[in-house]
Amino acid sequence: GAVVSQHPSWVICKSGTSVKIECRSLDFQATTMFWYRQFPKQSLMLMATSNEGSKATYEQGVEKDKFLINHASLTLSTLTVTSAHPEDSSFYICSAPLGGQSIEKLFFGSGTQLSVL
Amino acid sequence: ILNVEQSPQSLHVQEGDSTNFTCSFPSSNFYALHWYRWETAKSPEALFVMTLNGDEKKKGRISATLNTKEGYSYLYIKGSQPEDSATYLCAFGDAGKSTFGDGTTLTVKP
Repeated sequence: GAVVSQHPSWVICKSGTSVKIECRSLDFQATTMFWYRQFPKQSLMLMATSNEGSKATYEQGVEKDKFLINHASLTLSTLTVTSAHPEDSSFYICSAPLGGQSIEKLFFGSGTQLSVL
Repeated sequence: ILNVEQSPQSLHVQEGDSTNFTCSFPSSNFYALHWYRWETAKSPEALFVMTLNGDEKKKGRISATLNTKEGYSYLYIKGSQPEDSATYLCAFGDAGKSTFGDGTTLTVKP
């Protein structure tokens, strides 16, 4: 089946630094990538939708200048947490739909646990 | 904000037991209901996409039913095995833009 590779799996950084998370679709072209955040004991929350070749669309309450999304190619989308602070510590995960179906099937990365000190 | 609730939050069963859990969602403006299995340290895996009231889907020992009029879906696992231990998520809506439940964490003891 389709695979989405997400790196890194976990990252610890100092407050004020930026962190980049990558999601690659390994065996299919992902024109769309969804980015989610999950705080402890909460559900996955959609942060933004990235589209290859165009600007990402952000959900209400998500700061676009803080969470920079780039979808440079049909197989790569990146999320950069800029000037990270402890409150940004969370689990981040991406997913991409496999196109050509009436109801899209999602393929997820394995997630990135971000800890900001 | 859509309310998608899953119950129970966690479940511990013995190998061989059959089990089921529930996903509740709004009964209006239904689009689709998704079930995922999420094993620790792995990627969530899509199990079922359900679109029609009365839908029943099956994959091996796992099956799911859908009632859109009353706003619930059941996931059943027959003869649970240790490898079924995972968190089972449901999501209501259009695939990537769905609203996710908190999940039911199943632990199957050998």
